[in-house]
Amino acid sequence: KAGVTQTPRYLIKTRGQQVTLSCSPISGHRSVSWYQQTPGQGLQFLFEYFSETQRNKGNFPGRFSGRQFSNSRSEMNVSTLELGDSALYLCASSGQTGTLNSPLHFGNGTRLTVT
Amino acid sequence: GENVEQHPSTLSVQEGDSAVIKCTYSDSASNYFPWYKQELGKRPQLIIDIRSNVGEKKDQRIAVTLNKTAKHFSLHITETQPEDSAVYFCAFGGTSYGKLTFGQGTILTVHP
Repeated sequence: KAGVTQTPRYLIKTRGQQVTLSCSPISGHRSVSWYQQTPGQGLQFLFEYFSETQRNKGNFPGRFSGRQFSNSRSEMNVSTLELGDSALYLCASSGQTGTLNSPLHFGNGTRLTVT
Repeated sequence: GENVEQHPSTLSVQEGDSAVIKCTYSDSASNYFPWYKQELGKRPQLIIDIRSNVGEKKDQRIAVTLNKTAKHFSLHITETQPEDSAVYFCAFGGTSYGKLTFGQGTILTVHP
């Protein structure tokens, strides 16, 4: 069974631009969540989608947004990029049977560098 | 708000020794407590998890204990091996599908 797939693996953008990251969950998983990982702040929750609905949102500005499609694939978008947005963005899927607190399976992440 | 403190931030042991990492969480409603291992340049991977109706769980050399009254949970690795060297994250979750609050991580180094 294929794991969680994130594209692209690496991105370099300049301040003020916007970026879209993509995530394909494990087949059958209906929940997709996104995390930002930085050396200083660790792993921080961005948002969580289940059945195309955002169920939870972390403490990030409105420049960070996301969506989930009917096939459970998800995208996140960051607009008006700032230097501090440089991070590893991890996507995770879970909930094959719609069970709360199922183990998270992470993708390899997208490394975003903002210059 | 939701918070988890993880200690120590770095841990260095000799091969064959035991390693213990402790976490304290804030949210009384938490009922799911996973531990993740992240090797350099790789994705976090679940190594063990425990739910609030269980006090201890073991899987070969790895065990997790939970004290809900004190809001503590700990990871125990016995007979450590160099391949155990990685960053370990504790986390807790409540009633959600994919929202976890993570600790800051512990860099474990196992010296041969």
